[in-house]
Amino acid sequence: NAGVMQNPRHLVRRRGQEARLRCSPMKGHSHVYWYRQLPEEGLKFMVYLQKENIIDESGMPKERFSAEFPKEGPSILRIQQVVRGDSAAYFCASSPPRGPNTGELFFGEGSRLTVL
Amino acid sequence: DAKTTQPPSMDCAEGRAANLPCNHSTISGNEYVYWYRQIHSQGPQYIIHGLKNNETNEMASLIITEDRKSSTLILPHATLRDTAVYYCIVTSGSARQLTFGSGTQLTVLP
Repeated sequence: NAGVMQNPRHLVRRRGQEARLRCSPMKGHSHVYWYRQLPEEGLKFMVYLQKENIIDESGMPKERFSAEFPKEGPSILRIQQVVRGDSAAYFCASSPPRGPNTGELFFGEGSRLTVL
Repeated sequence: DAKTTQPPSMDCAEGRAANLPCNHSTISGNEYVYWYRQIHSQGPQYIIHGLKNNETNEMASLIITEDRKSSTLILPHATLRDTAVYYCIVTSGSARQLTFGSGTQLTVLP
């Protein structure tokens, strides 16, 4: 059973370009979460999605960042007009439909974005 | 979610038990204690969680005090591969996100 798959693992962009990060959840998981980890810092929640719905985007920057999880295909985190401060590791996690105590998330290996 | 306090770093000798403490004095009755770890630059890995009772799985044991204001993660026989940052997270069962703090950097020494 494959784990959470993220690609690309490494992405280099110049300022002003767009970055697209993809995440395929574990088989049977319908909930996807995106986290960002800036250099030397802890993980920060960005957004929680179910198929075709954004459930909680309280951690998303107000501009340039968007996320989707279409009915078919992977979840995508899109960063428009990247700036150097967007350089970070972006982790995706998935979980099965939430029960009363299912705080267990399965994380991917991350996508490392470097903005030149 | 309740705030947690962990020591920034700890060392442990290989083969010995590693005991990682966590304070969560403001925990409420419906909040669980979760432990994750992040091995250098990899994605976080779930270890264990509990509500009131002590828990054990193939990776670790979780001891929660009777008043639930603190807990200890125990790795019974630490190996070099257990060197990682360990995060103690308190969250209610209906929470949609996990809040990662600074964690404890555990270094297992040969």
